[in-house]
Amino acid sequence: SAVISQKPSRDICQRGTSLTIQCQVDSQVTMMFWYRQQPGQSLTLIATANQGSEATYESGFVIDKFPISRPNLTFSTLTVSNMSPEDSSIYLCSVRRDISYEQYFGPGTRLTVT
Amino acid sequence: AQRVTQPEKLLSVFKGAPVELKCNYSYSGSPELFWYVQYSRQRLQLLLRHISRESIKGFTADLNKGETSFHLKKPFAQEEDSAMYYCALRSGSARQLTFGSGTQLTVLP
Repeated sequence: SAVISQKPSRDICQRGTSLTIQCQVDSQVTMMFWYRQQPGQSLTLIATANQGSEATYESGFVIDKFPISRPNLTFSTLTVSNMSPEDSSIYLCSVRRDISYEQYFGPGTRLTVT
Repeated sequence: AQRVTQPEKLLSVFKGAPVELKCNYSYSGSPELFWYVQYSRQRLQLLLRHISRESIKGFTADLNKGETSFHLKKPFAQEEDSAMYYCALRSGSARQLTFGSGTQLTVLP
């Protein structure tokens, strides 16, 4: 298994500001993903964080709004930029050791934008 | 494009009754399907996957390619089964997960 921690666990932010969420894994993993879970909705994949290169974004998500870093095989950050109330959501980090392995989820970061 | 549909947002059953959570998918390739569960105040975790063909906590799910379904079943529901259940399909070059909208199961005493 993989133990995933996220910081912060929750935050309340003002409109127009940015927040960086950290994801730390207790062991090296090949694949890291960032998901969003809006209130009452399912999980939506934002991007795949690639080590040493630019993240791969899903349709509807752009790098300017959600810049992602992945400096090594155990750590990644997601920044939510120029926030608006519509960005209020739970942001989840998820990892997988390799392409066919089980996928694990972090505890999530609950973001509220006022 | 891949899609996962869970038609029931809420489902309530009595303890000891059978339960079935429905999941249908659309995907042109060979699907890999999963059920994830999220108990109250806990993180999302894998319940079972179709390739394992195993029973976890009394739950089973059979992939029916003809009906493009992967329904989750348990013959006798327990109160501790109350949780949010998500059906998910793995696809794409990175084999990323696509989730259904989820079904909140409540098992009544």
